[in-house]
Amino acid sequence: KQEVTQIPAALSVPEGENLVLNCSFTDSAIYNLQWFRQDPGKGLTSLLLIQSSQREQTSGRLNASLDKSSGRSTLYIAASQPGDSATYLCAVMPGNYKLTFGKGTLLTVNP
Amino acid sequence: DTEVTQTPKHLVMGMTNKKSLKCEQHMGHRAMYWYKQKAKKPPELMFVYSYEKLSINESVPSRFSPECPNSSLLNLHLHALQPEDSALYLCASSQDEVRQEDSPLHFGNGTRLTVT
Repeated sequence: KQEVTQIPAALSVPEGENLVLNCSFTDSAIYNLQWFRQDPGKGLTSLLLIQSSQREQTSGRLNASLDKSSGRSTLYIAASQPGDSATYLCAVMPGNYKLTFGKGTLLTVNP
Repeated sequence: DTEVTQTPKHLVMGMTNKKSLKCEQHMGHRAMYWYKQKAKKPPELMFVYSYEKLSINESVPSRFSPECPNSSLLNLHLHALQPEDSALYLCASSQDEVRQEDSPLHFGNGTRLTVT
């Protein structure tokens, strides 16, 4: 059974700092890995999708990497802003529509 | 603004009520999903529709009844719910099964359901 773990569970940083969120998964047979953002009481916003054959994806200040063989992904956020405060969820897609989520990292960026 | 629209945003219902949650997308996606999310937990998959046919039912109790009237709409009919069913119900869509590898899920903002 696929298990997804995110470390740390919570992170508080001052504005402007670069930071890294970590995600690990137990079964490397995946179609893709997706990073989402969730604001309190809201739905999930797709940030980045990395296909199994890819190593990284970038969007603005966000960069996500994937090492499928070791079962790891990182989300790098450059020059963090208070508006980045949210819960960040990592999820892997095994190819049967059953996206498996980690428990998330609660990020707080302090002005 | 999300491209997946869910109504209502909030719903309070008694245990004997019948209500429905609605979801709509106009991105041409052929896979649609219902997820349930409890506070401070990740979303849990309930149902998947692929080309308007039920593809996955994650052993969800029969008091939850999904329906996909057409490729743009997804409903979740609720009947005789329990207080522990109170949660955020999220709808999502993605491109079809063939495109799973490069098709992210797009989520709506959810319906906050409270069962009294």
